[in-house]
Amino acid sequence: AQRVTQPEKLLSVFKGAPVELKCNYSYSGSPELFWYVQYSRQRLQLLLRHISRESIKGFTADLNKGETSFHLKKPFAQEEDSAMYYCALGPQETSGSRLTFGEGTQLTVNP
Amino acid sequence: DTEVTQTPKHLVMGMTNKKSLKCEQHMGHRAMYWYKQKAKKPPELMFVYSYEKLSINESVPSRFSPECPNSSLLNLHLHALQPEDSALYLCASSRRGVSLRQGSSGNTIYFGEGSWLTVV
Repeated sequence: AQRVTQPEKLLSVFKGAPVELKCNYSYSGSPELFWYVQYSRQRLQLLLRHISRESIKGFTADLNKGETSFHLKKPFAQEEDSAMYYCALGPQETSGSRLTFGEGTQLTVNP
Repeated sequence: DTEVTQTPKHLVMGMTNKKSLKCEQHMGHRAMYWYKQKAKKPPELMFVYSYEKLSINESVPSRFSPECPNSSLLNLHLHALQPEDSALYLCASSRRGVSLRQGSSGNTIYFGEGSWLTVV
């Protein structure tokens, strides 16, 4: 069975501080990991996917297969980063058709 | 262009009404999805269409009836809903269809803005 765990429901930081949103996964095959962001009453947007190894809006995430983690990091948080962040797991074998989402972390960046 | 368009944005319906949610994408994507999302909760998969055929139904009640008229359109027909069905309904699409035989690395799912449904 595949599972995604985001241990923090709420995370609050001050503007300019580093932020790390944790994500751990459980999957026996080859995982594909994604981070999605949802701003208040807006669409779910793809933020990062591990295969592209890119940085979007200053966020990065590295897949650590040994620790089965895919934590999202940003060195200097901005107020506009306040949103709900979902980590998601999609098995390569079934083309991402069964994305499993974590429960989400609500990030608040205070001025 | 990674646009998935959903209409209507908001819908209020009675429990005896029949209504439909519509979704459109013109990215040539071959898989389309319906998800349901309750407030402050992650999206839950309802249906997946692959190459215009229903490939996954996550045991969704029959009062929700999906339809894929062509590769660009996806509908969700609603009938005799309950107040607990009130939620945000998200349509999504991805480039590759669902195929267990196909290597599928990087098949990203793109979401629409959603349709806010209230059942009264």
